Amino acid sequence: LAKTTQPISMDSYEGQEVNITCSHNNIATNDYITWYQQFPSQGPRFIIQGYKTKVTNEVASLFIPADRKSSTLSLPRVSLSDTAVYYCLVVTNQGGKLIFGQGTELSVKP
Amino acid sequence: DTGVSQDPRHKITKRGQNVTFRCDPISEHNRLYWYRQTLGQGPEFLTYFQNEAQLEKSRLLSDRFSAERPKGSFSTLEIQRTEQGDSAMYLCASSLVSVDIQYFGAGTRLSVL
Repeated sequence: LAKTTQPISMDSYEGQEVNITCSHNNIATNDYITWYQQFPSQGPRFIIQGYKTKVTNEVASLFIPADRKSSTLSLPRVSLSDTAVYYCLVVTNQGGKLIFGQGTELSVKP
Repeated sequence: DTGVSQDPRHKITKRGQNVTFRCDPISEHNRLYWYRQTLGQGPEFLTYFQNEAQLEKSRLLSDRFSAERPKGSFSTLEIQRTEQGDSAMYLCASSLVSVDIQYFGAGTRLSVL
């Protein structure tokens, strides 16, 4: 599975849009990009998944350029409750184990 | 659907003791995963089952660790002769074979004194 690289931490203020970029240079044809969110003392929670171009759901948008070597998670108008660790993962279409990096610790300030 | 349930939520034990954790997955999910997470790190894969078959084990899973899923429903993770380095959050997740989104429980936090 392709290794991912993302910033260790980010700061933002309430109401701002937050973009977290992840690089995955060795992504394979059958791989998808998936993002999870984790609050302290809880398990990770699935946010969004995509293969190419743009995916949007009620929580976030995911932008994937044509070469798929990177992706950007966009959180619109963040609130204090969006303070969490965000993990970018590359997963195969066969499922199986998830390989987590250190994630990006997002801190939203009032 | 009550989500993935883990029991206990917290466990404190003395070095050398055995501990067992239980995970109840989402009822129709046929895949069940175990992960371990230490402070400041992302979860690390330990093992996973498809129905009752254990399909993959990480090298992290030493011979002191054993996992079972006897009837393809709940699973147990046992750690024998616990060591201080086993202190971590143990997370369980489940999924459908056909959908690669994993749903995690809240975890069991183990402290080995």
